[in-house]
Amino acid sequence: NAGVTQTPKFQVLKTGQSMTLQCAQDMNHEYMSWYRQDPGMGLRLIHYSVGAGITDQGEVPNGYNVSRSTTEDFPLRLLSAAPSQTSVYFCASSYEELRSPLHFGNGTRLTVT
Amino acid sequence: AQKVTQAQTEISVVEKEDVTLDCVYETRDTTYYLFWYKQPPSGELVFLIRRNSFDEQNEISGRYSWNFQKSTSSFNFTITASQVVDSAVYFCALNSGGYQKVTFGIGTKLQVIP
Repeated sequence: NAGVTQTPKFQVLKTGQSMTLQCAQDMNHEYMSWYRQDPGMGLRLIHYSVGAGITDQGEVPNGYNVSRSTTEDFPLRLLSAAPSQTSVYFCASSYEELRSPLHFGNGTRLTVT
Repeated sequence: AQKVTQAQTEISVVEKEDVTLDCVYETRDTTYYLFWYKQPPSGELVFLIRRNSFDEQNEISGRYSWNFQKSTSSFNFTITASQVVDSAVYFCALNSGGYQKVTFGIGTKLQVIP
């Protein structure tokens, strides 16, 4: 049972490049989300999904795109990378939207130069 | 609006000391859940405990204990007889209405010195 799998673990991009962070979970969770972690700011919600085909914006969605074609996968796309997107990104899933704890992937450390 | 305040950004203790991590929250919702997560130096985020707004019982799990007080909007976390393996960043989080209302504190970095 792998839980939440995120790839890659590290990535360096040049400004303007695009890339996709992959996230897959094998727990059959309906709810998935992406967070970014920055020093002194905790975790902030980028986008989330309450089921296949349904996504919505979180607190800091600009510059990111998501889709949810299957229950298992929830990729995060950076459309045109900017230095402000240098961060650690976490994918998470949960069984329910309110009372379930989040199960996190191991994170992706992204540097944009 | 929801808010979680972890006023202690960094704490250092000597091994075997007790340490309490503070968490104060704000919400207007009557139904909500509070969580603590641990982020060790390896970087992963691990769920520790959940408490709902209708259950003010304190909880003890081994060396860990949690004190939830609605009257002061606090959900504090105490580690008894701290160990080096407890060194991590600890996040308090509030969920009062689904993903749009999940709010994390900025985290408390705990260093346990041998």
